[in-house]
Amino acid sequence: TQLLEQSPQFLSIQEGENLTVYCNSSSVFSSLQWYRQEPGEGPVLLVTVVTGGEVKKLKRLTFQFGDARKDSSLHITAAQPGDTGLYLCAGEDRDDKIIFGKGTRLHILP
Amino acid sequence: DTAVSQTPKYLVTQMGNDKSIKCEQNLGHDTMYWYKQDSKKFLKIMFSYNNKELIINETVPNRFSPKSPDKAHLNLHINSLELGDSAVYFCASSQGTYIYEQYFGPGTRLTVT
Repeated sequence: TQLLEQSPQFLSIQEGENLTVYCNSSSVFSSLQWYRQEPGEGPVLLVTVVTGGEVKKLKRLTFQFGDARKDSSLHITAAQPGDTGLYLCAGEDRDDKIIFGKGTRLHILP
Repeated sequence: DTAVSQTPKYLVTQMGNDKSIKCEQNLGHDTMYWYKQDSKKFLKIMFSYNNKELIINETVPNRFSPKSPDKAHLNLHINSLELGDSAVYFCASSQGTYIYEQYFGPGTRLTVT
């Protein structure tokens, strides 16, 4: 069974701090996506990474795909209360199946 | 304009009933999906349709039947509802059969009593 494990499950930090959340698997993914979901809303796509070692930046968010395409990280610089939400990673395996992690619940304290 | 819309947003019903959730996308995408998000926020894909054709059918009870009357619509019909069916159901669409960009609907919160 393929799993995408996200860590930490919960993270509460002060505004202005930096943080990194992780998405790990023992399986190789052809692509991986990060979503943010706010309460009562559907997930919103943040980024798609497809190349091992790829780094993408979206304002204060930096996404990295592991060299072996088995893991990914999301780094947020100078977190803001607006960054609060559930961050989900999703991977597409070689059989084109989509697998989601359980997410990291991030809470930024003002 | 809403890209992916679902109706209803909330659905409360009793065990044993049959219900449908509708999904429409106006993005011109070829592929549509249904996901189930359980109480622990785990998103699990249920079905995927490409151009009205079923391409992914994960292990879900056959009480769940998707129907795609055209490329822009993917409805989910559930027969003989059970307590364990309570969840939020998300519809999504994307261009092509691969993950390019999946756009999600707002979700339908189904509560079975």
